Amino acid sequence: DVQMTQSPSNLAASPGESVSINCKASKSISKYLAWYQQKPGKANKLLIYSGSTLQSGTPSRFSGSGSGTDFTLTIRNLEPEDFGLYYCQQHNEYPFTFGSGTKLEIK
Amino acid sequence: EVKLQQSGDELVRPGASVKISCKASGYTFTSYSMHWVKQRPGQGLEWIGAIIPIIDTTEYNQKFKGKATLTADKSSNTANMELSRLTSEDSAVYYCARSRFGVRQYFDYWGQGVMVTVSS
Repeated sequence: DVQMTQSPSNLAASPGESVSINCKASKSISKYLAWYQQKPGKANKLLIYSGSTLQSGTPSRFSGSGSGTDFTLTIRNLEPEDFGLYYCQQHNEYPFTFGSGTKLEIK
Repeated sequence: EVKLQQSGDELVRPGASVKISCKASGYTFTSYSMHWVKQRPGQGLEWIGAIIPIIDTTEYNQKFKGKATLTADKSSNTANMELSRLTSEDSAVYYCARSRFGVRQYFDYWGQGVMVTVSS
């Protein structure tokens, strides 16, 4: 199985700042990485797929980059609604696997 | 509007089985795959497997073979997952999530999750 190592586990930032979350695959997954946001009481939300393609409805302050084994989710100009949990997931091969998550909190 | 409405939370005894459901609406049920994902309290996400309703084909994570059984009822646009021989390790929130066909697909809509608690 492809192991996904996500960092950092926790991140604190203020509205208006920019943050980056990293995800490293144990082997090449080409471009096939997705990012999800998880918030209490809400359905998980797909933000980005295939490494850098924004899902319809995802604000342009979100961006994804990377290929092979190293990927990054960047959120620029943080808004209050951006705080929550973020997970990466490789969608290159079965079994799909997820990173351990990053909790983005308000500083 | 695409919606995946999951059944209610469950409290089950160790050794028993439980069946949870995911009713799809707002799209053609047979044009997508349905996946199931496990999340233990305070833990990350684990992919359990997927079903392609139109041909009733399943793909399982080896870890969940023998534990989870995925089915789909095309007449009611509902995907189901049965978990058997439950232990405390099965206490978790279980999500259904939709994807297009094929391996290299991502989950564009998720259900709200069902909490399964295994306790005597």
